[in-house]
Amino acid sequence: EAGVVQSPRYKIIEKKQPVAFWCNPISGHNTLYWYLQNLGQGPELLIRYENEEAVDDSQLPKDRFSAERLKGVDSTLKIQPAELGDSAVYLCASSTSGTGERGWAYNEQFFGPGTRLTVL
Amino acid sequence: LAKTTQPISMDSYEGQEVNITCSHNNIATNDYITWYQQFPSQGPRFIIQGYKTKVTNEVASLFIPADRKSSTLSLPRVSLSDTAVYYCLVARRGYGGSQGNLIFGKGTKLSVKP
Repeated sequence: EAGVVQSPRYKIIEKKQPVAFWCNPISGHNTLYWYLQNLGQGPELLIRYENEEAVDDSQLPKDRFSAERLKGVDSTLKIQPAELGDSAVYLCASSTSGTGERGWAYNEQFFGPGTRLTVL
Repeated sequence: LAKTTQPISMDSYEGQEVNITCSHNNIATNDYITWYQQFPSQGPRFIIQGYKTKVTNEVASLFIPADRKSSTLSLPRVSLSDTAVYYCLVARRGYGGSQGNLIFGKGTKLSVKP
């Protein structure tokens, strides 16, 4: 079974330029997450989708970041314009939702390899 | 969600058992404990999850005392390939809103030496 697919794997841009990242989750996973990971830190949630609805975007810097998941499958995260401080790894993850085998909300998330963004 | 505290780094040798302890003093009744592993240039990978007592799978064991204020991830007979960052997380049962969101800390960087 294919895992979470992200592209591109690496991106180098100059500041003030726009950039977009794409994610295709595991088939059948209706929950999709975008995370940001700085060097030496754990991932930080940016936005979570349940199907096509963004149910938690409280950590997304909405002045320059946007995301969409129009058909409830793949998703795009955009930054416009990019700043030097946006250099980081952007991770996408997916999971099933609802009650899992063990009787509670089973939140095993499957992560993609990430996109490493460098802003010059 | 309860904040977790774990050692920044640990060193071990091949073949040894490694125990990484995590404290989560403010864990709530609806919270469960989960551990993720992350290799360089990869996304985190789920290892194990538990609510109380002991959970074991093919990769690791998770020990949770009765008060649930801490947990210990046990990796039996580590190899060089177990060198990674290990994250202890507390996530809340439920569905909707922010329930189920994972809050990652800095994790424990485990270095396994030959």
